[in-house]
Amino acid sequence: DQQVKQNSPSLSVQEGRISILNCDYTNSMFDYFLWYKKYPAEGPTFLISISSIKDKNEDGRFTVFLNKSAKHLSLHIVPSQPGDSAVYFCAASGMQAGSYQLTFGKGTKLSVIP
Amino acid sequence: DAGVTQSPTHLIKTRGQQVTLRCSPKSGHDTVSWYQQALGQGPQFIFQYYEEEERQRGNFPDRFSGHQFPNYSSELNVNALLLGDSALYLCASSLQGPGANVLTFGAGSRLTVL
Repeated sequence: DQQVKQNSPSLSVQEGRISILNCDYTNSMFDYFLWYKKYPAEGPTFLISISSIKDKNEDGRFTVFLNKSAKHLSLHIVPSQPGDSAVYFCAASGMQAGSYQLTFGKGTKLSVIP
Repeated sequence: DAGVTQSPTHLIKTRGQQVTLRCSPKSGHDTVSWYQQALGQGPQFIFQYYEEEERQRGNFPDRFSGHQFPNYSSELNVNALLLGDSALYLCASSLQGPGANVLTFGAGSRLTVL
């Protein structure tokens, strides 16, 4: 039973356009959400996060939106650059429940075409 | 500033054998978590160590055990290896307190069980 779902295994976007990566979750106890980026032969690197008390968090070209009622979050990358090509993982945790373990989705492979 | 370092990077074992993987956390971090990433899947939480004790555990059998040393480094041990244990094993470190679930990952140890 997947508690964090990334339904798009892959996404291709032209350089300079917007990339939108989606993530759905089922566990209502999740209250903190993160996005990680992973290049081949490297570990995942933290990108951006959002607490459930917010609906938007922005960091440069990266913005994460959270819709709690729909249990849905998305990562927007604007403008997309070839160096953004990587696998993006959505992750969630239940900090209020005292659980810092992260539950990950299966990832979305983003390809930014020059 | 060295990040999370893991060893070995690759190893091959046969069914029934035992394996030990090692991890040095990022400087200043006191908490170590281990994740298993099977092919095509997201990382899955194995357990977390803090103050040399296992604090949380995911849905993994007792064949998976660990240890944390006074210098915060950690080991993951897997006994009686199965073919299904073939995966990338990721170590992540963090600091207890605010931001505890923003993990810094190592590049992983890729285990192949034949």
